[in-house]
Amino acid sequence: SYVLTQPPSVSVAPGQTARITCGGNNIGSQYVHWYQQKPGQAPVLVVYDDSDRPSGIPERFSGSKSGNTGTLTISRVEAGDEADYYCQVWDSDSDHVVFGAGTKLAVL
Amino acid sequence: QVQLVQSGAEVKKPGASVKVSCKTSGYTFINYDINWVRQATGQGLEWVGYMNPNTGDTGYAQKLQGRVTMTRSTSISTAYLELSSLRSEDTAIYYCASSGRYSNFDFWGQGTLLTVSS
Repeated sequence: SYVLTQPPSVSVAPGQTARITCGGNNIGSQYVHWYQQKPGQAPVLVVYDDSDRPSGIPERFSGSKSGNTGTLTISRVEAGDEADYYCQVWDSDSDHVVFGAGTKLAVL
Repeated sequence: QVQLVQSGAEVKKPGASVKVSCKTSGYTFINYDINWVRQATGQGLEWVGYMNPNTGDTGYAQKLQGRVTMTRSTSISTAYLELSSLRSEDTAIYYCASSGRYSNFDFWGQGTLLTVSS
């Protein structure tokens, strides 16, 4: 089955830039979507279709993709950005949705 | 505004079945898929399956095939998830989420906690 690989954790100081990666075989042929989940809350879409931002999401959140890796970049990180972040694709071969295991962003 | 409101927490015994509802509003129900995603305590997100509310077509995660059924009532814009032969490992929060076909999950319900325990 298709696997998306994320780092378990990323740490960054306030005001710095956080980058969270999502690796998968042939990910270049699929759209990558990113979700933020804070404790006790439902996930929130922060980036869709690799690099688009839903309305209401700050411009500090951006997405990109290169080769077999998608990346969520959070600029000028704030304490309120501390959360778990998940990447997601639709695997066209299996017609299944796949989530990465999640990355815990810690703001030091 | 778009809202997905789920039914309340459930406690079931192993071997029983459960049916969770997801009532939608603020958009045309039949125009977007409903997906179900679950999350065990301290764990990541796991996709359960999807349903096309217009046609009733469904797709389920392979590990749950045979135990999961997704249905809908278009007259009240509500989707349902039924899970049978419950096991302790089905204990999780279950979320419904709307999506375009093969697309992202743009709106989510608040989640329904299912506890399976003898």
